[in-house]
Formats: sequence, C-alpha cells, structure tokens
Amino acid sequence: DADVTQTPRNRITKTGKRIMLECSQTKGHDRMYWYRQDPGLGLRLIYYSFDVKDINKGEISDGYSVSRQAQAKFSLSLESAIPNQTALYFCATSDYWGTEAFFGQGTRLTVV
Amino acid sequence: SQELEQSPQSLIVQEGKNLTINCTSSKTLYGLYWYKQKYGEGLIFLMMLQKGGEEKSHEKITAKLDEKKQQSSLHITASQPSHAGIYLCGADFGNEKLTFGTGTRLTIIP
Repeated sequence: DADVTQTPRNRITKTGKRIMLECSQTKGHDRMYWYRQDPGLGLRLIYYSFDVKDINKGEISDGYSVSRQAQAKFSLSLESAIPNQTALYFCATSDYWGTEAFFGQGTRLTVV
Repeated sequence: SQELEQSPQSLIVQEGKNLTINCTSSKTLYGLYWYKQKYGEGLIFLMMLQKGGEEKSHEKITAKLDEKKQQSSLHITASQPSHAGIYLCGADFGNEKLTFGTGTRLTIIP
C-alpha cells in the first residue's frame, strides 16, 4: 500500500458544485499538507496541519477549506468549485522539521 | 515575486550529456529539498541539504548547497532517459513549511 493515498485520482465537476478530496497516510506522521500544481507555477501550499488540532492557511487558501479528521486523514474541500481551480492537487505528510515529505500520487481536478 | 527561483524552466539534453539545474532563494535556507516528478505523478524525494557547503550524491545525481545557503545546484552526470521528468526544489525558510520553486522540465533525447 502507498504511504499517502489520495482519492479520487481524477475528477471532473461542474462550476458551483461542492467537492471533497481525501487524503490518508500510513506513516504515522503528525504533519499533513495540501498543495496545488499549475503549469509554470510549481507547487503552491493551500493548507497545512501540524497535528489534529492545528490547521493553518497556506499561500492560496481562498476558496478552499480543510478538515483533519484524524492523525492519518486530511481532506480538502472546494465549497463552490470554479474553473480556475482546475489543477493537480497533492497531499503530503512529514514527520518533523528537517525531514523528508512524502507525497500522494495526486488528484487531477477539472472544473467545467 | 517568487521566493524560490529555478533555472532553467526547461532543458533538453542529449542522452549521455551532463546537466545542471539551479535553485536560488531570496532568503536564507534552513533546509533545501530536491524532488523529482514524473509527468502527472507524485513527487519522489531525492535529497535534502541543510548545511552551508553541503554536497550529497545519489547514483548519478549530485546536489550542493552554497556556503551562504541561498543557492543550490543539482547536477546529473551522463544523463539517461530515466532522468527525464520535472525537478523541483523545495525550501524551508525556518517556518517549517515547504515552499517549492517553479520546477525544471527535463527532456532526454537519444
């Protein structure tokens, strides 16, 4: 099994719909992250969580919300999807500062 | 403005040739990470550098962090088709978040 699992892997949704992307990890790490990747822009941080009770906004949090249901689960929601949220979304987890971050395979989201 | 700049944005190299990718920071780096991404897939960790002047190697890939801890280079020797992909540098600026550069798309041609 993968260390970090994202579901779904691909999703097409309509403008205005609510959608949730899910992430689970088996590493036992406290820290989890959501990034989006757009061509030419690298990965940009949406939200991050250092433990179950800690949620922080990243550089592009507008239009998104998150929920840390458990140490192993971190979900990202788009309350009302818009076309410019079409992107590749990655979930990641890390143990503590200065250690490797493990990434999921990504969720390709298309908003039409 | 981007805190972390990568250059070049894309690179086409003949198989067997050497290449270098650069990552430049506008601030002091507490940690610099190199990742590789196959097109449309997840990121694979390559190596992490923390100390000024540090150099690490993994197979034919070598990464260095300069003494001032504001620039890193990734060097591939005798490139192979398996090296193709997107290379991303990620930085820890002391806020315990990982900030990424824009990536370098590497293509290896026969």
